[in-house]
Amino acid sequence: GQNIDQPTEMTATEGAIVQINCTYQTSGFNGLFWYQQHAGEAPTFLSYNVLDGLEEKGRFSSFLSRSKGYSYLLLKELQMKDSASYLCAGMDSNYQLIWGAGTKLIIKP
Amino acid sequence: IAGITQAPTSQILAAGRRMTLRCTQDMRHNAMYWYRQDLGLGLRLIHYSNTAGTTGKGEVPDGYSVSRANTDDFPLTLASAVPSQTSVYFCASSDRPGGSYNEQFFGPGTRLTVL
Repeated sequence: GQNIDQPTEMTATEGAIVQINCTYQTSGFNGLFWYQQHAGEAPTFLSYNVLDGLEEKGRFSSFLSRSKGYSYLLLKELQMKDSASYLCAGMDSNYQLIWGAGTKLIIKP
Repeated sequence: IAGITQAPTSQILAAGRRMTLRCTQDMRHNAMYWYRQDLGLGLRLIHYSNTAGTTGKGEVPDGYSVSRANTDDFPLTLASAVPSQTSVYFCASSDRPGGSYNEQFFGPGTRLTVL
């Protein structure tokens, strides 16, 4: 079957670094997406990885290891506005996104 | 219109009633999607359309129908609502399926309560 696993909730301190992990199992694989979703709002795109390695985009970086079925999202210099849920989604052979339940990130001052 | 819009924003509906959720995008995207989001679960695909005139079933299609008469609009209909359809519904669109082109843009969502 297809499955995306990520932690339910994480807590971090303002100014620190946090890594949100995601493991995936999809029928075929066409890439891994990360989205951010603030409470009561729609998800918004953060990153897309299809090749192994680290993609850096400002304070956010995303890593992919296809052989391990593993990805992580790295958030640096955390700000209070980063408090949100982070959704991991794998794209299967039919180009459909399989979504994890999301990781709620709580930032403390 | 800028991006993707949904209507209504929220709705309380009696069980057994018919309801259509509207979705419109102005990005000329080929692909459109309907998801439901429930607490503790990931987004689940209800129906999708890769291009105008075609539709497909997602993971949880039962009780829902869609149509794609043109590029911009993708309405979702609940023929006879049941309480288990209480959820937040998101419409999304992407340039086309495949690779980074499948970056999906989401509408603001419709919060539906079926009593």
